[in-house]
Amino acid sequence: EVQLVESGGGLVQPGRSLRLSCAASGFNFDDYAMHWVRQIPGKGLEWVSGISWNSGGIGYADSVKGRFTISRDNAKNSLYLQMNSLRTEDTALYYCAKGTRYMWNDGSFDPWGQGTLVTVSS
Amino acid sequence: QSVLTQPPSASGTPGQRVTISCSGGSSNIGSNTVNWYQQFPGTAPRLLIYNNNQRPSGVPDRFFGSKSGTSASLAISGLLSEDEADYYCAAWDDSLNASYVFGTGTKVTVL
Repeated sequence: EVQLVESGGGLVQPGRSLRLSCAASGFNFDDYAMHWVRQIPGKGLEWVSGISWNSGGIGYADSVKGRFTISRDNAKNSLYLQMNSLRTEDTALYYCAKGTRYMWNDGSFDPWGQGTLVTVSS
Repeated sequence: QSVLTQPPSASGTPGQRVTISCSGGSSNIGSNTVNWYQQFPGTAPRLLIYNNNQRPSGVPDRFFGSKSGTSASLAISGLLSEDEADYYCAAWDDSLNASYVFGTGTKVTVL
């Protein structure tokens, strides 16, 4: 069974940093792109970032470009999101999702983890 | 900021057919395939339709996706109470900064 478990969320002050992790199991992690998607509670979905199977391709939403960095460690079956210069508008539930293709800018997302909540507030 | 537009709500009685529209543009739906996600309150989204009209294993054939030009639709036939959820369309966008864009979401209510 494919499992994605996010961790690292919490309360952080504006301007500070946070690193999210996603532990994957149940599939060949290095065969698929991975993504981060966020959702403000009660609101819609926003794609944050994606990374190709071998880290050779990466994409970011305009809203986080230059502040967030996605990475992966295929040896550890893990995905990460380093979030710097956090803003109040970054407050959301952050989901890790498995891509259905090996390139980040292709396919769909299936499945998704349960999410980790990031709250940016002073 | 969603670039795909969906109606905020849709409803029907059990057994009815409900259709949700998703309107985009030439750089997203017009150029790429459409996916649909279903989300129940308090849970993560799940893939419902991919490549415009393909259902992942386990998705009932009551769910039907279609695409024409820069718009797409999700139809739910034989509506069940368990279909009450939020539905999001999504597609890759080939603008200057390639990104994955979601629709605004539609809340389906079973009356």
